Amino acid sequence: GENVEQHPSTLSVQEGDSAVIKCTYSDSASNYFPWYKQELGKRPQLIIDIRSNVGEKKDQRIAVTLNKTAKHFSLHITETQPEDSAVYFCAAKKQAGTALIFGKGTTLSVSS
Amino acid sequence: DADVTQTPRNRITKTGKRIMLECSQTKGHDRMYWYRQDPGLGLRLIYYSFDVKDINKGEISDGYSVSRQAQAKFSLSLESAIPNQTALYFCATSDSFGERDGYTFGSGTRLTVV
Repeated sequence: GENVEQHPSTLSVQEGDSAVIKCTYSDSASNYFPWYKQELGKRPQLIIDIRSNVGEKKDQRIAVTLNKTAKHFSLHITETQPEDSAVYFCAAKKQAGTALIFGKGTTLSVSS
Repeated sequence: DADVTQTPRNRITKTGKRIMLECSQTKGHDRMYWYRQDPGLGLRLIYYSFDVKDINKGEISDGYSVSRQAQAKFSLSLESAIPNQTALYFCATSDSFGERDGYTFGSGTRLTVV
């Protein structure tokens, strides 16, 4: 089955800096890669996703890149703000017939 | 956001007891999932169901069972609770591919087994 590794487990940055979280996956058949954000005491929520037919996707200050050959994908947050502080989870799955497998999460702390 | 409702929100139970966690949704989604969250271990898949007659084991199904009573209801049972099942449990739903709008998670059930 799929296995998703996520690094780093914790990340501390200053407000305005960039943050990068990296994930690798094991199943070359996986073709959908979402990122979820979980604020303290809240439920995880989808913030961005990418499919295997594209290499990069951006949404304002957030971007995700995908390298299918190396089987890794990354989340990039620019101009970080204190409200970006949360746990971020990457995940992967095949298009049909399976469920999302999540990484172990990255706790991002943005200090002002 | 009451689209995915989990009950109870918190529960303390004793070792060896049977307990059921319930999940209901008004999203009209076909697919439902149970995950558990532990510090440092992320979200791990327990069971998932793509329709009423479909049940699939996830990464960590041992010690758990599920029932899909209707399209909108998916319950998780711990047949004989043990302390290492203490965790935060999330139910989630999705559309047919789980990709158009992502997964919608419930608010979670915090279970403590003593």
